Amino acid sequence: GAGVSQSPSNKVTEKGKDVELRCDPISGHTALYWYRQSLGQGLEFLIYFQGNSAPDKSGLPSDRFSAERTGGSVSTLTIQRTQQEDSAVYLCASSLMLGAGETQYFGPGTRLLVL
Amino acid sequence: GENVEQHPSTLSVQEGDSAVIKCTYSDSASNYFPWYKQELGKRPQLIIDIRSNVGEKKDQRIAVTLNKTAKHFSLHITETQPEDSAVYFCAASTNDYKLSFGAGTTVTVRA
Repeated sequence: GAGVSQSPSNKVTEKGKDVELRCDPISGHTALYWYRQSLGQGLEFLIYFQGNSAPDKSGLPSDRFSAERTGGSVSTLTIQRTQQEDSAVYLCASSLMLGAGETQYFGPGTRLLVL
Repeated sequence: GENVEQHPSTLSVQEGDSAVIKCTYSDSASNYFPWYKQELGKRPQLIIDIRSNVGEKKDQRIAVTLNKTAKHFSLHITETQPEDSAVYFCAASTNDYKLSFGAGTTVTVRA
């Protein structure tokens, strides 16, 4: 079946603009995760959803970052008033259920460049 | 929170030789340790994982070992092939579900 998809694949924006990144998880997956990968770095956890609920928002870098999930499926990550340090690849992953040991399947990512 | 360190950051091996990547973690409550492979410009893909009740797991040319006492785990790739060239990430997870990743190892297999 179809894997995790993300859009857009690339986004170039000007400093100070808002951006919205979209994630479509694998159908039937109840858990969804957002990570950020800066150039040459590992993946940094941002937030996860169980259904539409995000119990832990402590990984979000600042209050300019927010995320929501509706209908237990699509999720959007919004970055307000973008800064140059927000430039990175934003990866979404989903798993069948929420639980330690559940395999997380990653999307192709959105490459964000803030000029 | 969990801190995962990964070594080496780069690894060059001759085709047919073995490659070993080592990771350490800080949170003794971590109980799930996946390894992901990321080829250039592509998404990370799970290649093998191990849970804390197991000391070793093998899948064809790939094996992972876990030492809970020392809080370290390793990835072993035998008989390396050019298609093994990629960035490999280790990760650790406790019951709070989020994965904490190492910084990655760039593996280059020389033909």
